[in-house]
Amino acid sequence: RKEVEQDPGPFNVPEGATVAFNCTYSNSASQSFFWYRQDCRKEPKLLMSVYSSGNEDGRFTAQLNRASQYISLLIRDSKLSDSATYLCVVFRFILTGGGNKLTFGTGTQLKVEL
Amino acid sequence: EAGVVQSPRYKIIEKKQPVAFWCNPISGHNTLYWYLQNLGQGPELLIRYENEEAVDDSQLPKDRFSAERLKGVDSTLKIQPAELGDSAVYLCASSSGVLETQYFGPGTRLLVL
Repeated sequence: RKEVEQDPGPFNVPEGATVAFNCTYSNSASQSFFWYRQDCRKEPKLLMSVYSSGNEDGRFTAQLNRASQYISLLIRDSKLSDSATYLCVVFRFILTGGGNKLTFGTGTQLKVEL
Repeated sequence: EAGVVQSPRYKIIEKKQPVAFWCNPISGHNTLYWYLQNLGQGPELLIRYENEEAVDDSQLPKDRFSAERLKGVDSTLKIQPAELGDSAVYLCASSSGVLETQYFGPGTRLLVL
């Protein structure tokens, strides 16, 4: 099982719709979570961090469910400019063997249409 | 403030040839990452540096890949010899700490023929 899994999509939604993506992670020791956005043929950019209590930034809401080991991203009132791939990122400390582990999911593609 | 700079942006080589990518991180960022991204996939970490020390290179194919970050600033990733399967986008990112926001460069698109 992959450490981080996302539905690749594409999710095709009309402008103004609400859309939600989930991302599941396999290691219960994972500690920090992020959503990055990647436009076609561009580099990823941080969209938002995901806090335990959930957090909101304008039309975007991120939630963490530790019991079920998933994070979610909700986009309200979608815009054409929201069309992109949304990457889930999971971080955990590794106590032995050195290094920490930061894993990107494969991304979920969103297409917002007129 | 300048972002992460990478060069070249594109590279086409024949298999078995060597290739090198260069990255200049954001000034003051101690943490530098090299990722490989295939089409339709997320970035996969190759190596992470804290200053000049490679603290995580567990995913770096060491038989053909090497990296260095002399003086803890710029970094170079090398492949020798390149194989057809190495065709991908190589992304460099930097951050002020391992849990801090990563800022990515535009990437180097490598095509191995």
